[in-house]
Amino acid sequence: QKEVEQNSGPLSVPEGAIASLNCTYSDRGSQSFFWYRQYSGKSPELIMSIYSNGDKEDGRFTAQLNKASQYVSLLIRDSQPSDSATYLCAVNRASSGYSTLTFGKGTMLLVSP
Amino acid sequence: EAGVAQSPRYKIIEKRQSVAFWCNPISGHATLYWYQQILGQGPKLLIQFQNNGVVDDSQLPKDRFSAERLKGVDSTLKIQPAKLEDSAVYLCASSPRPGGGTDTQYFGPGTRLTVL
Repeated sequence: QKEVEQNSGPLSVPEGAIASLNCTYSDRGSQSFFWYRQYSGKSPELIMSIYSNGDKEDGRFTAQLNKASQYVSLLIRDSQPSDSATYLCAVNRASSGYSTLTFGKGTMLLVSP
Repeated sequence: EAGVAQSPRYKIIEKRQSVAFWCNPISGHATLYWYQQILGQGPKLLIQFQNNGVVDDSQLPKDRFSAERLKGVDSTLKIQPAKLEDSAVYLCASSPRPGGGTDTQYFGPGTRLTVL
């Protein structure tokens, strides 16, 4: 059973702070990793993808991957109230010519003004 | 470029009734996915099509759920008969290349199903 684990939260941070979201996964064969943001009542939208160990930065977002520890994280710098949403970690494994995404339950982030 | 289209956006039915959802992926996208998202959970893959063939339906409750993708373009997902536990948002997504791989999946707005 492939599993992706996230704390459900809510994670509350003040505006301007760094929000740190964490995710662990069980399948060592996982090859690519994604963070999706989902506003209440909306569909998920991709904000970051990462494929190799280390850090990947995109604007205020930094994704970190440690395959040995089976751990993925997302840092949001200078958090804004508009960042308040549920953040879904998703893990991709390819087999037999196709790949599937397994999602975690998501972490709710609340950024207070 | 138009996004993934889904209809209806909302549906309320009674248990044991049937319901169908429609999805039109982004033009030219080879891979189409149907997910079920129960409140408070992450999306769970129900079925994945590569062009018009099924590549993964391991989590589809085949006694009541069925799906097809005609001519490798749009797709329908059907539930017959519905149960209370089928209340969820049904999300359709598509990605450009066959097999998905590291492709971004683009999600439609979803259909919120309530079974009474």
